Amino acid sequence: KQEVTQIPAALSVPEGENLVLNCSFTDSAIYNLQWFRQDPGKGLTSLLLIQSSQREQTSGRLNASLDKSSGRSTLYIAASQPGDSATYLCAVAPRGNTGKLIFGQGTTLQVKP
Amino acid sequence: DVKVTQSSRYLVKRTGEKVFLECVQDMDHENMFWYRQDPGLGLRLIYFSYDVKMKEKGDIPEGYSVSREKKERFSLILESASTNQTSMYLCASSEGTKNTEAFFGQGTRLTVV
Repeated sequence: KQEVTQIPAALSVPEGENLVLNCSFTDSAIYNLQWFRQDPGKGLTSLLLIQSSQREQTSGRLNASLDKSSGRSTLYIAASQPGDSATYLCAVAPRGNTGKLIFGQGTTLQVKP
Repeated sequence: DVKVTQSSRYLVKRTGEKVFLECVQDMDHENMFWYRQDPGLGLRLIYFSYDVKMKEKGDIPEGYSVSREKKERFSLILESASTNQTSMYLCASSEGTKNTEAFFGQGTRLTVV
């Protein structure tokens, strides 16, 4: 059974710092991995999608990597800002399941001014 | 811009009531999903649909049913609301092929009293 783990559960950093959020999954048979952002009480906003054949994706200050063989993904945030404060969730789409996602518990990030 | 819209941001219902949560997407997506999100448990899949009038149970379907009469609309029904169904409910959609990005609505915070 696929399981997704995110460490740490919470992270607090000063503004301007570069940071890395981690996501690990137990079964490498996936179609893709997706990173989301969630603000308190809100829905999920898609940040980056990495297909199983890709190694990384970039969007602005965000860079996500995927190492399928080791079951790991990282989300790198450069030059963090207070507006980046949110919960970040990773999710994998297991092979054999039509579009269903398995989520990690998330990392809650606080960027202090 | 892609859009998944949930009919209510907040709902308060009484125990035993029949509750309808509505979700509409404007992207002509085949797949639609209902998740619930609870502290410490993360996001869990309730039901999903990969075509009109087609549905499949997710991980926690008990106490819920769904309806998909039109491609753009996916409804979650709580047949007889109970206090343990107090939660954040999230609707999502994605294209029919397996490698595509999922988009989420803004969430519905349901409180059953």
